[in-house]
Amino acid sequence: QSALTQPASVSGSPGQSITISCTGTSTDIGFYDFVSWYQQHPGKVPKLIIDDVRYRPSGVSNRFSGSKSGNTASLTISGLLAEDEADYYCSSYTTSSTLVFGTGTRVTVL
Amino acid sequence: QVQLVESGGGVVQPGRSLRLSCAASGFTFSSYAMHWVRQAPGRGLEWVALISYDGSNIYYADSVKGRFTISRDNSKNTAFLQMNSLRPEDTAVYFCARSGRPYTVRGPFFDYWGQGTLVTVSS
Repeated sequence: QSALTQPASVSGSPGQSITISCTGTSTDIGFYDFVSWYQQHPGKVPKLIIDDVRYRPSGVSNRFSGSKSGNTASLTISGLLAEDEADYYCSSYTTSSTLVFGTGTRVTVL
Repeated sequence: QVQLVESGGGVVQPGRSLRLSCAASGFTFSSYAMHWVRQAPGRGLEWVALISYDGSNIYYADSVKGRFTISRDNSKNTAFLQMNSLRPEDTAVYFCARSGRPYTVRGPFFDYWGQGTLVTVSS
């Protein structure tokens, strides 16, 4: 159950687009389309922003989008805003019926 | 509205036990799998355990298997995490979270989270 691999940090200027990668294996991301993404501001509870690779829950901005190719999932934030500065975590269901999170990415808005 | 409220955290010595509770309201608790997720201070999220809507399916992370036990009481809308043989590395905020899909453990995502309860394992 090794954690999924994410870049430690990604940064961008307001209005730009950034992409966060999340790399797993053939027994998690590569096997199922059960990838979700969470946003966590400091001291706050994680918030679901993408489920099932690409679906946004009600109320989540359409500036967030998700995709997957092979063993790697990606989260793109377009039109970057100051409020997007937070930690982002991916997660995936696994063939062992467990769940694994990514290592987390700190997004900085320059 | 959906609410999840954890309790039972505190400071405990290594090797001792602690039982966490997660009281749910605002939804049909008996229809949803429940999970525990933890976050060590300054660290990332770690999935800990899941229990199916009826308690018939239970899964654990390798890091807690054999030491932690997840359970639920649907008559009281409450999930539990019994933590035995605690280690310093178990120090974390423990969140309970609802699985977003009813009646299945497959493909979980967490649409509602509690505020968390801090567990500190230290002598």
